[in-house]
Amino acid sequence: DAEITQSPRHKITETGRQVTLACHQTWNHNNMFWYRQDLGHGLRLIHYSYGVQDTNKGEVSDGYSVSRSNTEDLPLTLESAASSQTSVYFCASSVGTSGIIEYNEQFFGPGTRLTVL
Amino acid sequence: GQNIDQPTEMTATEGAIVQINCTYQTSGFNGLFWYQQHAGEAPTFLSYNVLDGLEEKGRFSSFLSRSKGYSYLLLKELQMKDSASYLCAVRDQENTGFQKLVFGTGTRLLVSP
Repeated sequence: DAEITQSPRHKITETGRQVTLACHQTWNHNNMFWYRQDLGHGLRLIHYSYGVQDTNKGEVSDGYSVSRSNTEDLPLTLESAASSQTSVYFCASSVGTSGIIEYNEQFFGPGTRLTVL
Repeated sequence: GQNIDQPTEMTATEGAIVQINCTYQTSGFNGLFWYQQHAGEAPTFLSYNVLDGLEEKGRFSSFLSRSKGYSYLLLKELQMKDSASYLCAVRDQENTGFQKLVFGTGTRLLVSP
């Protein structure tokens, strides 16, 4: 069955370290997204991609980067982890032509709980 | 800018009906989604409204009034497994033409026996 996976599921790191969170989907979806979820804020968009080699900044992109070298993967990198980046990170994907989010729903991965000490 | 409001927490009894409201302000509205999220799990899609009116899906229904910037999710015949957070999300179209989902903070529903 097609799915969307994230790894690791839990990560503890230290301030200043570089961290990469993996996201892999087997639906062949064009659109992929990274969100963070914090108490009192709901899900906030970090970065998104409408296809291979396309990446765009979301509302909370500072300190994060992504790359899209194939359809299946959108890794999220924290360049220099900060305590403010302690959060639960969700990757999502949806069907869509390049540049436009279709009305189709977004499918979410299981999440990665990141703690920055 | 965008603003989405929903109650933080609600409680209800098994077998009852509960209505979770969502109000929104957005410059480029293009649809409203409801997601369910159990504790420690990923959000899962429940419903989608883009036109005014009621959409029914089994025990769950969702209503939209675009002129009032208002939606509600109606859960009937509540079951214990319905205890979860319910996220309202608005699809907002930016000036560039691109669209994105903006999420509310979620309503935590606790169903008691």
